[in-house]
Amino acid sequence: KAGVTQTPRYLIKTRGQQVTLSCSPISGHRSVSWYQQTPGQGLQFLFEYFSETQRNKGNFPGRFSGRQFSNSRSEMNVSTLELGDSALYLCASSPTPGYNSPLHFGNGTRLTVT
Amino acid sequence: DQQVKQNSPSLSVQEGRISILNCDYTNSMFDYFLWYKKYPAEGPTFLISISSIKDKNEDGRFTVFLNKSAKHLSLHIVPSQPGDSAVYFCAAMNRDDKIIFGKGTRLHILP
Repeated sequence: KAGVTQTPRYLIKTRGQQVTLSCSPISGHRSVSWYQQTPGQGLQFLFEYFSETQRNKGNFPGRFSGRQFSNSRSEMNVSTLELGDSALYLCASSPTPGYNSPLHFGNGTRLTVT
Repeated sequence: DQQVKQNSPSLSVQEGRISILNCDYTNSMFDYFLWYKKYPAEGPTFLISISSIKDKNEDGRFTVFLNKSAKHLSLHIVPSQPGDSAVYFCAAMNRDDKIIFGKGTRLHILP
């Protein structure tokens, strides 16, 4: 079974631009969540989608948004990029949300904002 | 405010000995706890979990202990092996299924 696929692996953008990251979950997984990893803050939850609906949202500004498609694939968008947005963005999928569905992570997209 | 704290950024342990990674939490509403392991350039992988109704869960070389009164959990790895060198994230969930991760502890297994 293929794992969680994130594209692109690396991205360099300049301040003020916007970026879209893509995540394809494991086949059959309907829950997708996004995380930002930075050296100082560890892994921070961005948002979670299930059946095309946002179930949960972390404490990030409105510049961060996401969506999920009917095939469970998800995209994350960051508008008006800031230097502090440089991070590893991780996507995770699970069959359903909740305790009994441990997250399966992709290898991430490393975003550098210059 | 940091609801899940891993106060040791790094830890070095001799191969074959026990590795103990610690995690503290502040929110008493958390009722499910997980540990994830992360190698460089890879996403985290699930290691072991524990429900708040238990105080211990064991899976092979990995055991997680939960002390609810102290709001503390620990991951024990026995015996430690070179492949255990990685960053370990503690995570907690409450009933709204939002998961909160700690900042991670980098474990170095020394030969």
